[in-house]
Amino acid sequence: GAVVSQHPSWVICKSGTSVKIECRSLDFQATTMFWYRQFPKQSLMLMATSNEGSKATYEQGVEKDKFLINHASLTLSTLTVTSAHPEDSSFYICSARDPDQGQHYGYTFGSGTRLTVV
Amino acid sequence: AQTVTQSQPEMSVQEAETVTLSCTYDTSESDYYLFWYKQPPSRQMILVIRQEAYKQQNATENRFSVNFQKAAKSFSLKISDSQLGDAAMYFCAYANSGYALNFGKGTSLLVTP
Repeated sequence: GAVVSQHPSWVICKSGTSVKIECRSLDFQATTMFWYRQFPKQSLMLMATSNEGSKATYEQGVEKDKFLINHASLTLSTLTVTSAHPEDSSFYICSARDPDQGQHYGYTFGSGTRLTVV
Repeated sequence: AQTVTQSQPEMSVQEAETVTLSCTYDTSESDYYLFWYKQPPSRQMILVIRQEAYKQQNATENRFSVNFQKAAKSFSLKISDSQLGDAAMYFCAYANSGYALNFGKGTSLLVTP
């Protein structure tokens, strides 16, 4: 079945530095990828929709200059947290849609990245 | 905007028993899809079951089944013969026209021996 690989699984960075998270579709081409953020014991909140070859669409309240999303190929989307601060500490999850599985059957999730900013 | 509501923050069930998790949603669309996802402590999102809104027949996957009431905008999940491995966070989700999944707040399911 469709597999999405997300790296790193966890990362600790110093306040003020930037961190890049990668999301790869391993056995299918994902024209659309989604980035979510999840705080402890809470739900997944959509941050942005990433479309290959075009600019990402950000949800209201998400700072596009802080959370840079790049979807340069059909198998890779990256989320860069710039000038990270402790409040950016969270669990970030990507999801990719496999068009071959039908419009709504192909939501596959990465394993998530736990970001801690110290 | 579509909203998904899970009114049970926590549920508990004994092994081998049956439990039902509730979910309601709000939408003005006629064509959409509903999902239940399981998130164990590993935090990997696992698809449990999905339902197309245009299908009247309730979806089933082994011990998991749904009660889809379109007019009432209700989409509950029934877990039969509960197992210890079913303990997890369960999220109800809505999707329309290939857009991102919209999740409810989740229900934490505890399974006791």
